[in-house]
Amino acid sequence: DAGVTQSPTHLIKTRGQHVTLRCSPISGHKSVSWYQQVLGQGPQFIFQYYEKEERGRGNFPDRFSARQFPNYSSELNVNALLLGDSALYLCASSLVALAGASYNEQFFGPGTRLTVL
Amino acid sequence: GNSVTQMEGPVTLSEEAFLTINCTYTATGYPSLFWYVQYPGEGLQLLLKATKADDKGSNKGFEATYRKETTSFHLEKGSVQVSDSAVYFCALSDKTSYDKVIFGPGTSLSVIP
Repeated sequence: DAGVTQSPTHLIKTRGQHVTLRCSPISGHKSVSWYQQVLGQGPQFIFQYYEKEERGRGNFPDRFSARQFPNYSSELNVNALLLGDSALYLCASSLVALAGASYNEQFFGPGTRLTVL
Repeated sequence: GNSVTQMEGPVTLSEEAFLTINCTYTATGYPSLFWYVQYPGEGLQLLLKATKADDKGSNKGFEATYRKETTSFHLEKGSVQVSDSAVYFCALSDKTSYDKVIFGPGTSLSVIP
């Protein structure tokens, strides 16, 4: 089975522009999460979606938004890009997103490398 | 809030040396604990996990034991190889927040022949 896929692989934008990143979860997975990994740091949680509803949001400005589609794929949108948005954006999928569940392993995609000039 | 602290790198070892990367966490409740590995130019791979106290996760010669009393999850390997060169992230899964994963800052490991 295919793993989590993300597109595009690499992207170069200029300050002030808008960007859309895409993620397809593993077949059967209903939860998608987004993470930002700045060079030299650990990934930081941005959003989690489950069954097309936002279930969690990290400490990111409103310029960041996301949505999940009926087929469980997801888009991450970033408006008014800043130089500091340059990072590897990781998408992860899991079967469910139920609070208190014993364990829901997240499977990560290869990421989209965004460079803002 | 929940957080993960791990030893700073970079760490440089000779092949066949013993590896320890320290990790401690702060969390309410009983999180699941993980070690992820990121090879150069690649995404994150789950290396091992432990879901409750005293569990030992193991994979590819790496081991880590969930120690609730010391809130630690140290990564160990008895004999490292050049192919183990990568960045290692300790992480926890917050069950109270729909399993979002909180990562440590990462420890870069270089193994030289």
